[in-house]
Amino acid sequence: DAGVTQSPTHLIKTRGQHVTLRCSPISGHKSVSWYQQVLGQGPQFIFQYYEKEERGRGNFPDRFSARQFPNYSSELNVNALLLGDSALYLCASSRQQGSGNTIYFGEGSWLTVV
Amino acid sequence: AQTVTQSQPEMSVQEAETVTLSCTYDTSESDYYLFWYKQPPSRQMILVIRQEAYKQQNATENRFSVNFQKAAKSFSLKISDSQLGDAAMYFCAYTSASGTYKYIFGTGTRLKVLA
Repeated sequence: DAGVTQSPTHLIKTRGQHVTLRCSPISGHKSVSWYQQVLGQGPQFIFQYYEKEERGRGNFPDRFSARQFPNYSSELNVNALLLGDSALYLCASSRQQGSGNTIYFGEGSWLTVV
Repeated sequence: AQTVTQSQPEMSVQEAETVTLSCTYDTSESDYYLFWYKQPPSRQMILVIRQEAYKQQNATENRFSVNFQKAAKSFSLKISDSQLGDAAMYFCAYTSASGTYKYIFGTGTRLKVLA
């Protein structure tokens, strides 16, 4: 079975622009989470979605938004990009919503804001 | 708020030797889960091992084992018979058994394996 897939793998954007990152979970997984990993740090939680509803949100500004589709894939949107948004954005999926369910990560989308 | 601390930014080990990576955490909850993830240069986070806080027995996965000390809030990872492919960043992570489902990660330990 395919793992978590993310696209694009790398992208460069200019300050003030908007970006959309995409994620397809492992087949059979209904929960998707997004994490931001700045260079030299551990991943920071952004969102969790389950059954198309937002179930958790980290300490990120309203410029960050996400959604989950009926096929359980997800998009992360970031508006008005800042230099500080440059990071690896990781998507993770799990079978169910509960915290007893281990999350499995994709390879991430490298975002560089110039 | 829960926190996860990894105090070793970098560790080195000779191939075939054993190394232990440290992790401490802070929480007021009694039920939670702890994880070690490996992040090689490819950047994909790979699950190494998982521990349920309600289980006293330490988790093991082949060459990887943990020393879970709940009272001390310590969760170390032991890698036996280290291999060149073990070289990576290792992250300790915590998630509550109730409420939010976010994972809280430490800052990571870079493991170098010397041939």
